[in-house]
Amino acid sequence: SQQGEEDPQALSIQEGENATMNCSYKTSINNLQWYRQNSGRGLVHLILIRSNEREKHSGRLRVTLDTSKKSSSLLITASRAADTASYFCATAVMDSSYKLIFGSGTRLLVRP
Amino acid sequence: KAGVTQTPRYLIKTRGQQVTLSCSPISGHRSVSWYQQTPGQGLQFLFEYFSETQRNKGNFPGRFSGRQFSNSRSEMNVSTLELGDSALYLCASSPGRYQETQYFGPGTRLLVL
Repeated sequence: SQQGEEDPQALSIQEGENATMNCSYKTSINNLQWYRQNSGRGLVHLILIRSNEREKHSGRLRVTLDTSKKSSSLLITASRAADTASYFCATAVMDSSYKLIFGSGTRLLVRP
Repeated sequence: KAGVTQTPRYLIKTRGQQVTLSCSPISGHRSVSWYQQTPGQGLQFLFEYFSETQRNKGNFPGRFSGRQFSNSRSEMNVSTLELGDSALYLCASSPGRYQETQYFGPGTRLLVL
């Protein structure tokens, strides 16, 4: 079963606009990560935010984490056509080992 | 460093057959995880290996199995294939005992007819 649910499922914006994706999860986490996937290929790690952090930046990406609401958001500023992809949040749950539980993903289309 | 490699990239099998997929992690990475991705179920965790030991297993039937070798390379096997096993199988590696960032391979796309 999936831990995270992402919203919206699909998003279409114009190049240059900002894109915001949200992720909600159910259980306590060690950290939350965002990944990008192009056309059913492998996933590329974008950013990791730990449970004791509230906000993190990486280039045009900004991630926030609200552990009280069990939610996170990914903001992509000044989007480009090359940002067109599916974006997944993944929560890291510490149990006997460590595993990532992925959300359902947001499909982002950036129109030129 | 070379990235995670998976072989084969594409595979077509028929129901009832078995299949073995291979994953070579990034050099020095000791943890390997496997995921199944389908349009209906999304990305689901299959299992994770560290130093040849399976540390965690997802909610999949016993037809799905795997192993890791001393050089950290990993294989997963699916026996008695079903149509529903058609999916993209992704392998990811991480450096340490409690991995954080996972580095994904390109995946193996399996089609079961």
